[in-house]
Amino acid sequence: EAQVTQNPRYLITVTGKKLTVTCSQNMNHEYMSWYRQDPGLGLRQIYYSMNVEVTDKGDVPEGYKVSRKEKRNFPLILESPSPNQTSLYFCASSFRTGVYNSPLHFGNGTRLTVT
Amino acid sequence: AQTVTQSQPEMSVQEAETVTLSCTYDTSESNYYLFWYKQPPSRQMILVIRQEAYKQQNATENRFSVNFQKAAKSFSLKISDSQLGDTAMYFCAFMMTFNNDMRFGAGTRLTVKP
Repeated sequence: EAQVTQNPRYLITVTGKKLTVTCSQNMNHEYMSWYRQDPGLGLRQIYYSMNVEVTDKGDVPEGYKVSRKEKRNFPLILESPSPNQTSLYFCASSFRTGVYNSPLHFGNGTRLTVT
Repeated sequence: AQTVTQSQPEMSVQEAETVTLSCTYDTSESNYYLFWYKQPPSRQMILVIRQEAYKQQNATENRFSVNFQKAAKSFSLKISDSQLGDTAMYFCAFMMTFNNDMRFGAGTRLTVKP
């Protein structure tokens, strides 16, 4: 089954404790992206990657890191989480523009709470 | 920068009736894509419908249809014969043709009442 898999689904942590949210897709998509969803703000892009070893900042990158060492994986790293990073996070992927522009396929989300 | 505005934070409709969700966007580009995504309580992001800006014909998917007004930069979603399962948050989204950067509106929470 074609899918984007995010883990964990729920995560509660304390301020300053490093964490990683994993994301993997099995559709051979070049493009992958992370979003955070907050009430009244919709989804805002954190980081994106056009292909392996190519990443770039989105609209709200502060406090986050990403890496793209393999095509299928795109983990989101919070090295020192703070309470303002409490949010619902989505990983998404699609074929790269110019080849076939497809809509984003989303993972099931990770609800992160930082206390 | 492209922006997407959904002016209705919440809406409700009676089962079997029709409801229209509004969306406007701002761009100086002529080629782009527009989408509506549904997010039920399960939190999944489900693609409802897609419209290419170069197409004049409005997209339809079963009970879902759009009214795309390019000059007015408007992209509304009409849900006919509303069902209880349509209860969800609906997001309007915009994407350029030359990149995959997708911009979202703030969302409209739709409740279908029995």
